[in-house]
Amino acid sequence: DIHMTQSPSSLSASVGDRVTITCRASQGINNYLAWYQQRPGKVPQLLIYDASTLQSGVPSRFSGSGSGTDFTLTISSLRPEDVAIYYCQKYNNVPFTFGPGTKVDFK
Amino acid sequence: EVQLVESGGGLVKPGGSLRLSCVASGLPFTNAWMNWVRQAPGKGLEWVGRIKSKSDFETTDYAAPVKGRFVISRDDSKNTLYLQMSSLTTGDTAVYYCATGGGIIPYWGQGTLVTVSS
Repeated sequence: DIHMTQSPSSLSASVGDRVTITCRASQGINNYLAWYQQRPGKVPQLLIYDASTLQSGVPSRFSGSGSGTDFTLTISSLRPEDVAIYYCQKYNNVPFTFGPGTKVDFK
Repeated sequence: EVQLVESGGGLVKPGGSLRLSCVASGLPFTNAWMNWVRQAPGKGLEWVGRIKSKSDFETTDYAAPVKGRFVISRDDSKNTLYLQMSSLTTGDTAVYYCATGGGIIPYWGQGTLVTVSS
């Protein structure tokens, strides 16, 4: 099975900062990658699919890129409501493995 | 508006069984591929398994840790998804989410907590 990793595991940033999270697959998955946000105590929310397509209703400060094995989620200007854990997920085939998550909070 | 409402969680002893249900509304359930995803306390998300639609033969797939112990089924007449869990261990303690999608998961239920403890 394909293994997913994320870096960093956590980060602290300030309001307005540009934040970048990396996700890596142990084998190529084309662009079959999604990103989810899970705010504290809340249900996960789909942010991006197909590596770079923004889900309807998601703010444009979120963007995704990458293909193959290396992917990036970028928050262009961090806002207070972005405090959350971010997960990548591959879905080229089963199992639909999630990455371990990246916790984003404020300095 | 899509709504997914799970039920059936609770406390069960190791080795025991439990069946979770998820009632769906606001989507064409008959055509929907459905998933179960779980999250152990303080841990990350773990995909449990998926069932395809009836037109896709209700094919099921499972994550390795649950294969042979968990069974996903559906009753389209009741817009309901099920997760039958058996031979439960403490490692199965988690919030179990019902979720739509064939891979991409746009809709999630609120989850139901399963605690496996003696």
